[in-house]
Amino acid sequence: DAKTTQPPSMDCAEGRAANLPCNHSTISGNEYVYWYRQIHSQGPQYIIHGLKNNETNEMASLIITEDRKSSTLILPHATLRDTAVYYCIVRVHMNRDDKIIFGKGTRLHILP
Amino acid sequence: DSGVTQTPKHLITATGQRVTLRCSPRSGDLSVYWYQQSLDQGLQFLIQYYNGEERAKGNILERFSAQQFPDLHSELNLSSLELGDSALYFCASSRTSGGALETQYFGPGTRLLVL
Repeated sequence: DAKTTQPPSMDCAEGRAANLPCNHSTISGNEYVYWYRQIHSQGPQYIIHGLKNNETNEMASLIITEDRKSSTLILPHATLRDTAVYYCIVRVHMNRDDKIIFGKGTRLHILP
Repeated sequence: DSGVTQTPKHLITATGQRVTLRCSPRSGDLSVYWYQQSLDQGLQFLIQYYNGEERAKGNILERFSAQQFPDLHSELNLSSLELGDSALYFCASSRTSGGALETQYFGPGTRLLVL
């Protein structure tokens, strides 16, 4: 079972920041938070990951709470091409069984 | 473009048949992962190969098998196909044996339809 909880769907206006929440209340100290997205049956696309510090790259920012029980993915200026299913995943560092367990994700609709 | 390639893009076959899906990892990646995505099950991990050896196994049926060749490409063999095997099959690759410090990069998928 997935170890994360996400809202099933969200709307965001084009040009605004999209903030996607994720709960991972049972996360362990050696587990990383990863975000992927899947645009209409294409292969999942890596977005960003982090352990406990906030992270930013050219696609998004990841804000992890101090207790690490939740996080937020931020797309700073959403465009129509950001319409996708966004998956929040926890992965164990140095785990021999590196199978990513995908939950149902959040379906993000960007509204023109 | 992730650098992971999969062939064919689409495959239509009949129940009881056998098919082979092919995956080429990103240049330099040693691990290949296979995932199945059906409408009712979402994305499910099937199996991982690292440098030619099976590394991790998920919900892979006994009718399915995989292998990774010396040139690191991988094939997923699906036999005695059933209607319920219709799905998208994704391959992913990572640099070494995996773990949370390595990103898995996904290919575009093979869409299998069993009639």
